[in-house]
Amino acid sequence: QKEVEQNSGPLSVPEGAIASLNCTYSDRGSQSFFWYRQYSGKSPELIMSIYSNGDKEDGRFTAQLNKASQYVSLLIRDSQPSDSATYLCAGWEGNYQLIWGAGTKLIIKP
Amino acid sequence: EAGVAQSPRYKIIEKRQSVAFWCNPISGHATLYWYQQILGQGPKLLIQFQNNGVVDDSQLPKDRFSAERLKGVDSTLKIQPAKLEDSAVYLCASSLSGRNEKLFFGSGTQLSVL
Repeated sequence: QKEVEQNSGPLSVPEGAIASLNCTYSDRGSQSFFWYRQYSGKSPELIMSIYSNGDKEDGRFTAQLNKASQYVSLLIRDSQPSDSATYLCAGWEGNYQLIWGAGTKLIIKP
Repeated sequence: EAGVAQSPRYKIIEKRQSVAFWCNPISGHATLYWYQQILGQGPKLLIQFQNNGVVDDSQLPKDRFSAERLKGVDSTLKIQPAKLEDSAVYLCASSLSGRNEKLFFGSGTQLSVL
């Protein structure tokens, strides 16, 4: 059973600090990973995608992928109250099945 | 570019009744997904279509759930008869070809079974 695991949280971070979200996966063959943000009562919205080892930056967001250690992380710099949401990590198993984590609830405290 | 369209937004039914959800993916997207999301959990894939063919329906409770994607465009998901445990958000998503790609989600349908 291929899995993507996340700490369910909640993760509480002060406003302006860096929020660090982590995800581990079991399938060594997984090639591409995604971070989705989901506000309460809303559908998932893509934040970042990452396909190769290393860091990928987009504004205040940085995704990190380490295939040797099988983890993916998302860093949010200068955290804002509007970043409070559940963050879902997902990775493709082979070419056809997207495996989802259960999500980490992030709370940014003003 | 228009997003993934879903309807209805909310639905309340009694157990043993039937319900249907509709989804229209982003134009040109070959792959369409139906997910069930229970509060506090990640999305659970019910069925994945590639054009009008089924790629994966291994987690679809086929005794009560059915889905179709005629003509390879829009899709309907039906539950008949509904059970209390079917209360969840039903999400439709689409992607261009379904291989190692990002998914775009519709607004979802919140189903309450009483």
